[in-house]
Amino acid sequence: GEDVEQSLFLSVREGDSSVINCTYTDSSSTYLYWYKQEPGAGLQLLTYIFSNMDMKQDQRLTVLLNKKDKHLSLRIADTQTGDSAIYFCAESPLTGGGNKLTFGTGTQLKVEL
Amino acid sequence: GAGVSQTPSNKVTEKGKYVELRCDPISGHTALYWYRQSLGQGPEFLIYFQGTGAADDSGLPNDRFFAVRPEGSVSTLKIQRTERGDSAVYLCASSLYGQETQYFGPGTRLLVL
Repeated sequence: GEDVEQSLFLSVREGDSSVINCTYTDSSSTYLYWYKQEPGAGLQLLTYIFSNMDMKQDQRLTVLLNKKDKHLSLRIADTQTGDSAIYFCAESPLTGGGNKLTFGTGTQLKVEL
Repeated sequence: GAGVSQTPSNKVTEKGKYVELRCDPISGHTALYWYRQSLGQGPEFLIYFQGTGAADDSGLPNDRFFAVRPEGSVSTLKIQRTERGDSAVYLCASSLYGQETQYFGPGTRLLVL
């Protein structure tokens, strides 16, 4: 079955760039997503990338996709304390109209002053 | 409402009891998803509705779990004979049919004593 893996923890200093990595196994993945979850809150969609793209940039966020290696990364430029949260990578095949997401275990990002 | 809402926000029950969790999707969204997030894990897919019908219920862990969406809007996740292992945050998401973006509610935190 599908499997999505992430490192568990990342600590950075405020103002530095953060890079959160994710690997997935499902070669039929069509969309890959990054969600943010703050304590006690629901999941917030940050960005997504279609599998025929290599890169997508959205303000401070840059997503890189290496489809050959099934590796996805999220770079956050100028990381702020408000970026402290758990970040989930997710993938979906988007077949038959449904969009069942498979999530990784999440990477906890801690931003230190 | 503007977003996906879920009630109750917290539910404490005793082992063996029956519980119902409610999800109110974004108005006009035909697709509705339920996920379960255990402590320290990413969300796991339970069931997907397209309109009133369950298009994919492959994630339901066993026959104690059941979900309905009788009018194609509000959905109720029902858990019979609850077990301590059912303790988790139950997340609901909705999306337009064929659209890739799922919008998540804040979740219901279920604790089975």
